[in-house]
Amino acid sequence: AQTVTQSQPEMSVQEAETVTLSCTYDTSESDYYLFWYKQPPSRQMILVIRQEAYKQQNATENRFSVNFQKAAKSFSLKISDSQLGDAAMYFCAYRRASGSARQLTFGSGTQLTVLP
Amino acid sequence: EPEVTQTPSHQVTQMGQEVILRCVPISNHLYFYWYRQILGQKVEFLVSFYNNEISEKSEIFDDQFSVERPDGSNFTLKIRSTKLEDSAMYFCASSEVGRTQYFGPGTRLTVL
Repeated sequence: AQTVTQSQPEMSVQEAETVTLSCTYDTSESDYYLFWYKQPPSRQMILVIRQEAYKQQNATENRFSVNFQKAAKSFSLKISDSQLGDAAMYFCAYRRASGSARQLTFGSGTQLTVLP
Repeated sequence: EPEVTQTPSHQVTQMGQEVILRCVPISNHLYFYWYRQILGQKVEFLVSFYNNEISEKSEIFDDQFSVERPDGSNFTLKIRSTKLEDSAMYFCASSEVGRTQYFGPGTRLTVL
């Protein structure tokens, strides 16, 4: 079974600074997808960024980028120029690419605080 | 921009009662999902639904749970006899084939 581990329950960053959230995963699959979702206090799950395992290039979305290390099974999220609105719980998630198993497997989350 | 919607936003019920949580997935999506998140814990997969039948379900999704797509737009989760431990946030999600899942805002279920 796939597992996703987020070893940082809490992180804080100064506004305008950069922060990196860590995620590791375990799978025997060669093709899969990885995601970062953001959950603000409203508790809605918002997609931040997605990475296909077959792509070597790291995904970027504006101030958000990932460092995907397939051999190390590591998928970290970098937030540049942090803003107060980035404060939220961040979940890393995994999904197989093939077969009927399309469920997302989530990590336990990292609570990010942005300090003014 | 199309989005997944869920109703109600908050449901309070007595233990042993039946509840139905409703979701309207994004209109061109073919896969539908339910997840739950007990307060302070990780998001857990319950069930996925495709082509009018369950395609996957987790160990959590026991006989107390059922899903249905009663018409062309709604997707429902029914809990037949609620327990205290069913109190959680329930998220509906939908996706195109092999694509990213988009989540609704969630329904907070409180079982008293």
